Amino acid sequence: DTAVSQTPKYLVTQMGNDKSIKCEQNLGHDTMYWYKQDSKKFLKIMFSYNNKELIINETVPNRFSPKSPDKAHLNLHINSLELGDSAVYFCASSPSGEPGELFFGEGSRLTVL
Amino acid sequence: SQQGEEDPQALSIQEGENATMNCSYKTSINNLQWYRQNSGRGLVHLILIRSNEREKHSGRLRVTLDTSKKSSSLLITASRAADTASYFCATGSNDYKLSFGAGTTVTVRA
Repeated sequence: DTAVSQTPKYLVTQMGNDKSIKCEQNLGHDTMYWYKQDSKKFLKIMFSYNNKELIINETVPNRFSPKSPDKAHLNLHINSLELGDSAVYFCASSPSGEPGELFFGEGSRLTVL
Repeated sequence: SQQGEEDPQALSIQEGENATMNCSYKTSINNLQWYRQNSGRGLVHLILIRSNEREKHSGRLRVTLDTSKKSSSLLITASRAADTASYFCATGSNDYKLSFGAGTTVTVRA
């Protein structure tokens, strides 16, 4: 049973397109996150939701919009994709808003051509 | 903004040797965590040390924390080929964020 699952694992698309990445966790956690890992492996937090409420919204272009329909799901929608959006996007969850142990998904590699 | 910075960026050791990597951070923290990432995979939590702790052990892992120097170290003893991975430190603060560095890439040669 996968604890944090992301789909799709790979996504190749053209500049200007809109795409979504979905994330689901079956751990019963209250908090979910989106991180972006660039080509140098640097991980940067993008968003965090706690019980469907947005608690972290880093300086991210507003082309990126998270949506949490319930506390087990956190999706990421990206409009008007740009070359610089190419990266691996990781979803993670934790039991509470306090930054304890995070459980990561396997990542979604986005390539924008 | 980036909080933790790992040093060295890359490390190559022989199987059976110990691997030590360091992490420095800038602001006050509640806890510091270490994660492992195998190539093409997600991050896996290894160990968490709270700001009032100085040392913690888990199996072959030993973590130290020096809050006066704002630094931490991760020691992997008796390394194995399976320890080949990237290791990240992450700092947790009151702002609910867990901030990661760019990691140390460890290669264990057989």
